[in-house]
Amino acid sequence: KQEVTQIPAALSVPEGENLVLNCSFTDSAIYNLQWFRQDPGKGLTSLLLIQSSQREQTSGRLNASLDKSSGRSTLYIAASQPGDSATYLCAVKYERGNTGNQFYFGTGTSLTVIP
Amino acid sequence: EAGVAQSPRYKIIEKRQSVAFWCNPISGHATLYWYQQILGQGPKLLIQFQNNGVVDDSQLPKDRFSAERLKGVDSTLKIQPAKLEDSAVYLCASSFFAGTGGLHTQYFGPGTRLTVL
Repeated sequence: KQEVTQIPAALSVPEGENLVLNCSFTDSAIYNLQWFRQDPGKGLTSLLLIQSSQREQTSGRLNASLDKSSGRSTLYIAASQPGDSATYLCAVKYERGNTGNQFYFGTGTSLTVIP
Repeated sequence: EAGVAQSPRYKIIEKRQSVAFWCNPISGHATLYWYQQILGQGPKLLIQFQNNGVVDDSQLPKDRFSAERLKGVDSTLKIQPAKLEDSAVYLCASSFFAGTGGLHTQYFGPGTRLTVL
């Protein structure tokens, strides 16, 4: 059974701090890994997608890294802002050939940035 | 570009009743996904369509859940009869392509919050 774990489950930081969110997965034969943001009452918004052949992706203040061999990914948020407060989810995709793809989500990290 | 549309946004029913959710994906997106997100958990994929064909429904409780995507555009997810444990947010997502080398980014709708009493 595939498992995706996110630690910590909740995090509270003062504005301006840099922070790291962690995602680990049991099966390293992934196709890609995606980080999402979820705001209360809303759907998920894709932040970064890392293909299995890549080591990291960057978008603005966000940097996601991938280490397949250890089954880990991190999302680094620089200079956090109150608007970053949300739940962050990682999702791992495994390719299953003609039978389609399997997506597994972690349980998320709830981030609160205090002004 | 319009996003993924879902309706209704909220639904409250009693157990053993039936309910249906509707999803309209982003125009041109061939792949459509239905997820179930129970409070405090990550989304769980229920079913994936490629155009109007089912690619993966391995985690869909087929004794009570059904889904269709007629004409390869809109989709409906039905629960009949509902149980208390079906209380969750049902998310629809779409992507341009699902195969290798394609554009895999999933775009999510706002979800339908179902409460079963």
